[in-house]
Amino acid sequence: AQKITQTQPGMFVQEKEAVTLDCTYDTSDPSYGLFWYKQPSSGEMIFLIYQGSYDQQNATEGRYSLNFQKARKSANLVISASQLGDSAMYFCAMREGIEGYQKVTFGTGTKLQVIP
Amino acid sequence: GAVVSQHPSWVICKSGTSVKIECRSLDFQATTMFWYRQFPKQSLMLMATSNEGSKATYEQGVEKDKFLINHASLTLSTLTVTSAHPEDSSFYICSALGLFLDEQFFGPGTRLTVL
Repeated sequence: AQKITQTQPGMFVQEKEAVTLDCTYDTSDPSYGLFWYKQPSSGEMIFLIYQGSYDQQNATEGRYSLNFQKARKSANLVISASQLGDSAMYFCAMREGIEGYQKVTFGTGTKLQVIP
Repeated sequence: GAVVSQHPSWVICKSGTSVKIECRSLDFQATTMFWYRQFPKQSLMLMATSNEGSKATYEQGVEKDKFLINHASLTLSTLTVTSAHPEDSSFYICSALGLFLDEQFFGPGTRLTVL
């Protein structure tokens, strides 16, 4: 079974609009973490935002916010006021396990294209 | 923020040769490092988890004799692709876990092309 599911292979958004990228996860660990990364065509992985499973508040980092719904096991990324430079692949990832036995697995990604 | 380097950035080699890729944490000690493989327009596939001083844990379907991982120090993990073939051509990315739960630092990746 997929640990991380991103159901949107591609998304278009108008510049200055907000967009939500979906991510659902599956784990039986009580403690886990969820990441969102941006990967431009250069290939580098750029960290955007992190949500811990015990965090009470939804994470926010500038224009990025994470809509964390623990009961539904979803961790959607919201990008507000999209910019042309936001066009890239976006990956959701989950960290689970205990110290010394941790792993981080990735979803299949969503290609976001921002339209002028 | 913490920096992870990878060397080389890209490599072209002949079929049958072995290629070693280094992953270094430059300003912190990384107990755990991960090796990923990424095909064009696809996601990162976790190959193995490398813990300092112990044998790497390989994901299902990854040949441990093909992809040798050594994590001999807290700042260096190496991936050796042995007897490389064209189907091993890919983008290989390493990452290192930091002290805190929200810390995972990625290297810039290594593009391997096997002719």
